[in-house]
Amino acid sequence: DTGVSQDPRHKITKRGQNVTFRCDPISEHNRLYWYRQTLGQGPEFLTYFQNEAQLEKSRLLSDRFSAERPKGSFSTLEIQRTEQGDSAMYLCASSLSSFSNNEQFFGPGTRLTVL
Amino acid sequence: AQKVTQAQTEISVVEKEDVTLDCVYETRDTTYYLFWYKQPPSGELVFLIRRNSFDEQNEISGRYSWNFQKSTSSFNFTITASQVVDSAVYFCALSEARDSWGKLQFGAGTQVVVTP
Repeated sequence: DTGVSQDPRHKITKRGQNVTFRCDPISEHNRLYWYRQTLGQGPEFLTYFQNEAQLEKSRLLSDRFSAERPKGSFSTLEIQRTEQGDSAMYLCASSLSSFSNNEQFFGPGTRLTVL
Repeated sequence: AQKVTQAQTEISVVEKEDVTLDCVYETRDTTYYLFWYKQPPSGELVFLIRRNSFDEQNEISGRYSWNFQKSTSSFNFTITASQVVDSAVYFCALSEARDSWGKLQFGAGTQVVVTP
């Protein structure tokens, strides 16, 4: 049984470039979440999907960020015109949506460095 | 406003000592979940325990135990007989019914350092 996977694990880019990250959730999980974590802080919620539908977006998710989950399976997170402040670890998680089984399982993260 | 507060930034112990991590939360919901996650140096968040707001029974699972008290909005976590492999950052998190159990709201984390 594979867990949540993310690709790439590390990304170094120059300011102003676009980057895209991919997340593959646990296969039977209908919910998929994106979080951002900066050094010394807890993860901050960005957005989440239930199947294909994007149900909530944080105010942290500026217009330069977009996330998709086109077929309700994998998801992509794109950052356009990257800024140095976007440097962080981007974490993906997945879960079921039931009341009794809603714990989120996290992937290894994608560490983004914007030069 | 911060909904989950972990006042301890770092705790250092010697192996075999017990470690208790404090977590205070804030919510207006009557139905919510509380979680503890572990983030070892490798970086991947590992789910440890979950408790719902209707169940204040404290439990022990192996070397882990937790103390959930709604009256003080606290959800403390104890590692008994700590080991070097317990060295990690531990996060407390809250999930609320108003968010349809969507987002987790994390505290800032407590770094646990266990030395031999």
